[in-house]
Amino acid sequence: KQEVTQIPAALSVPEGENLVLNCSFTDSAIYNLQWFRQDPGKGLTSLLLIQSSQREQTSGRLNASLDKSSGRSTLYIAASQPGDSATYLCAVKDNAGKSTFGDGTTLTVKP
Amino acid sequence: NAGVMQNPRHLVRRRGQEARLRCSPMKGHSHVYWYRQLPEEGLKFMVYLQKENIIDESGMPKERFSAEFPKEGPSILRIQQVVRGDSAAYFCASSTGTGIYEQYFGPGTRLTVT
Repeated sequence: KQEVTQIPAALSVPEGENLVLNCSFTDSAIYNLQWFRQDPGKGLTSLLLIQSSQREQTSGRLNASLDKSSGRSTLYIAASQPGDSATYLCAVKDNAGKSTFGDGTTLTVKP
Repeated sequence: NAGVMQNPRHLVRRRGQEARLRCSPMKGHSHVYWYRQLPEEGLKFMVYLQKENIIDESGMPKERFSAEFPKEGPSILRIQQVVRGDSAAYFCASSTGTGIYEQYFGPGTRLTVT
C-alpha cells in the first residue's frame, strides 16, 4: 500500500528566502507525481506534474524533482513571496489511476 | 473547455439525512475519481469510476456510501444517514484515461453535518 509523507508539516520563512519542500513515497511503481497548492477552504491548483520517466519540471519560480528509485520528490520555491503562503500537497499516481496524497506542508511567508 | 464542475459547493445536512454530491467531468473525460479531505488532512481516495462502471471502490466506507457514473449526466456520490464524522470536503477529479494521464480536480463540495 502506497504511503506518502511530506516534511515538514509546517514551515514559516521571511519573504525572499529560497525553500525546499519534501515528499517521500514507499512504492516506486508510480506513473507520475504531482504537486498542488491549496489555499484555505479552497480547491486544488496543479503546480507541476512529473511523469515517472522525467527527473524534473520547472514553472516560473518553482522547480520539482523526482527520484523514483529512492522514492523522493522535492519542490523548490525561489525568492518566496507572501502570496506563496498556502498548503502544498504532493500526490503520486499508480497504474490504476488513483492518486495517493501526502498530508501537506503549510507554508507561511512573512513580509 | 470548462473544467471539472462540482455542485453544490457547500452542503449542510442534519444527522440522518442524505447527501448527494454531483461531479461533471471535463468534456471528453470518461474517468472520474472521488476523494475526501478531512480537516487538517490530505486527500484520501474513495472510488474510481468509468461510465456505468465502478472500477475501484477500495477507499469507500462499506456502509452508507455509494457512487455512480451513469451513461448520461454527472457522477453522483451519495451518503445516506449522514453523521458528524462525514463532515469534510469532497473532491472529484477526471481524466481521459489511467496511467500517465493527468487528473483535473474540481473545486470540491464542503459538507457540514449538524
